[in-house]
Amino acid sequence: NAGVTQTPKFQVLKTGQSMTLQCAQDMNHNSMYWYRQDPGMGLRLIYYSASEGTTDKGEVPNGYNVSRLNKREFSLRLESAAPSQTSVYFCASGDRGLTETQYFGPGTRLLVL
Amino acid sequence: AQTVTQSQPEMSVQEAETVTLSCTYDTSESDYYLFWYKQPPSRQMILVIRQEAYKQQNATENRFSVNFQKAAKSFSLKISDSQLGDAAMYFCAYRRGYGGATNKLIFGTGTLLAVQP
Repeated sequence: NAGVTQTPKFQVLKTGQSMTLQCAQDMNHNSMYWYRQDPGMGLRLIYYSASEGTTDKGEVPNGYNVSRLNKREFSLRLESAAPSQTSVYFCASGDRGLTETQYFGPGTRLLVL
Repeated sequence: AQTVTQSQPEMSVQEAETVTLSCTYDTSESDYYLFWYKQPPSRQMILVIRQEAYKQQNATENRFSVNFQKAAKSFSLKISDSQLGDAAMYFCAYRRGYGGATNKLIFGTGTLLAVQP
């Protein structure tokens, strides 16, 4: 039982390049989330998926797209990376019940030059 | 909009001593959940403890306990018998009760805890 996994762990991009961050969970959770963490700030929600086939914008969605490929996988795509997207990205999943608790992946550190 | 405030950017505690991390929040809702997450240098976010707002009893998990004061909108974390492995960034987080469009977590800015041997 690996929980929530993310790939890659670290990536360097040049401005304008694109990439996809991958996330998978094996806990049979319905909800999945993408957050970003910047210095001096807590995590902020980028996008979420309440269930397979649905996605919605969070607090800071500009410059990102997501795909809920199936119940297990939820990817985050940067179409044209910008230095402002330098951050640590966390994927999380939760079972969306009354007592939903979110469990986080190890994070992806992204540097955009 | 809901907000979470952690007013202590850094704290330090001696090994085996007790430390309390502060968190306050602002919400107009009556049904919600509060969490403490630990982020060690590995950056992994680890759930420490959870509190349901409708429960008056304070949550406890081994050496970790909370002091939940609903009227004051305060949710502090007490770590007893501090260990070197407790050194980490600690985040307080809020989530509204189920029924909304999202169960997103709203995080504070974190408290960096150092444990001195």
